[in-house]
Amino acid sequence: QSVLTQPPSASGTPGQRVTISCSGSSSNIGSHTVNWYQQLPGTAPKLLIYTNDQRPSGVPDRFSGSKSGTSASLAISGLQSEDEADYYCAAWDDSLNAVVFGGGTKLTVL
Amino acid sequence: EVQLVQSGAEVKKPGESLKISCKGSGNSFISSWIAWVRQMPGKGLEWMGIIYPHDSDTRYSPSFQGQVTISVDKSISTAYLQWSSLKASDTAIYYCARHGSLRGWLDPWGQGTLVTVSS
Repeated sequence: QSVLTQPPSASGTPGQRVTISCSGSSSNIGSHTVNWYQQLPGTAPKLLIYTNDQRPSGVPDRFSGSKSGTSASLAISGLQSEDEADYYCAAWDDSLNAVVFGGGTKLTVL
Repeated sequence: EVQLVQSGAEVKKPGESLKISCKGSGNSFISSWIAWVRQMPGKGLEWMGIIYPHDSDTRYSPSFQGQVTISVDKSISTAYLQWSSLKASDTAIYYCARHGSLRGWLDPWGQGTLVTVSS
C-alpha cells in the first residue's frame, strides 16, 4: 500500500489528453512539492515534472503538472505512442522523513 | 552535471553479503545528496535512503532502517548499498539517483543494478 494514491491504469488514443491523479495528505503533498517520473519499459525512471509544474530541459510541453491542497495531477496532451509508460508521483513526507512514491500508473496508448 | 553509473547485475544465495556501487562523474557529486531506490519485480518505486558524500550524513526510510547500509567513498565519487545477509525478498532492481535537494526531486538516475537472490 503506497502512501500516495494513483490509479493503477490509464489509457487514451493518439492525440487525446489524459490526466493522472495523485492523492496524499498534509504530511506529504500538503506540505511539500510534487515530482513526477516516467519509466519507459525496461528502463530507469526519468524526471518528468519537478516542483509541481516545472519541466526539465528536453521534456515536451505536452506534459504538465499541477497541485492543489493534498492532491496533484499530471496531464499529457496530444498523446503519442511513445508516451506508453509507467508514471509515478513522489513527495517528501514529514511523518516518515522519507520520499514517498505513488504506486504508479500504467499508461496505455490505444 | 552529475552522471551516475552503477555496477553490474549480481546473482547471490540467501545469507550471502553484497555491496553494489554507484559512481558519479562531474564536480557536483560530493555536494549532492545521493538516494537509493528499490523496484521489486513488477512493482513500484520505494525510496530506501540517502547520503551526502561531503560529510557522509546518512538517512534511512523507516522501512529499510537496519536492513541495508548506505555508504560513500568521496575520494572516488562512489556511493554504495550493502547487505550483510541477503534474503530472497531482496531480489529487485536497485537505482541510485541524485536529489535536487534533501527533500527534492531525483535527477539523474543510474541505469539500475539487478540483484537476484536465489538458492
